[in-house]
Amino acid sequence: DQQVKQNSPSLSVQEGRISILNCDYTNSMFDYFLWYKKYPAEGPTFLISISSIKDKNEDGRFTVFLNKSAKHLSLHIVPSQPGDSAVYFCAASSWAETSGSRLTFGEGTQLTVNP
Amino acid sequence: GAVVSQHPSWVICKSGTSVKIECRSLDFQATTMFWYRQFPKQSLMLMATSNEGSKATYEQGVEKDKFLINHASLTLSTLTVTSAHPEDSSFYICSARFGADRRSPLHFGNGTRLTVT
Repeated sequence: DQQVKQNSPSLSVQEGRISILNCDYTNSMFDYFLWYKKYPAEGPTFLISISSIKDKNEDGRFTVFLNKSAKHLSLHIVPSQPGDSAVYFCAASSWAETSGSRLTFGEGTQLTVNP
Repeated sequence: GAVVSQHPSWVICKSGTSVKIECRSLDFQATTMFWYRQFPKQSLMLMATSNEGSKATYEQGVEKDKFLINHASLTLSTLTVTSAHPEDSSFYICSARFGADRRSPLHFGNGTRLTVT
């Protein structure tokens, strides 16, 4: 059961334009969401996060939007740059007494920014 | 910033042998480390949570006797794939949290590509 889904395996945009990456989740216990960026043969690196008490968080060119009622979040990158080309993973966190804090990842979206 | 080092970055082994993967937090102490596995074009799947000084917590469906985890110190966790088989070929990634707050982002190693022939 895939609790975090990124339905677009790939996205291609022109340099300077906006990139919008989407993520849907099913578990209402998730209360913290993160985006990670991954280059080939490297581990993911943290990009930006948002708590469920907020609906928007911005950091430079990156903005994450959360729509709790729709169980949907999105990452906006503007303006997009060729160096942004990578796989982007959406992740969600919940807390459980038995297992502590866990991160559940989506399948990832390959973003390609064309010069 | 917080750095997690994983070694080796890739390994090829014969079926039936065991492989050990090391994960180190270089400039911080990590009481908890996490081991993930990623198949091609799939998400990172949490295999187990490694706790310093105690037994690891395995996710459902992960064989604890096959994937041995040892967290002997605050900076080192190891994953040993015992009696490896070709279906164990995958990308294994460890991570650690810098700080006690669960909302602190995880820092990941660069992963280990395991190929079992």
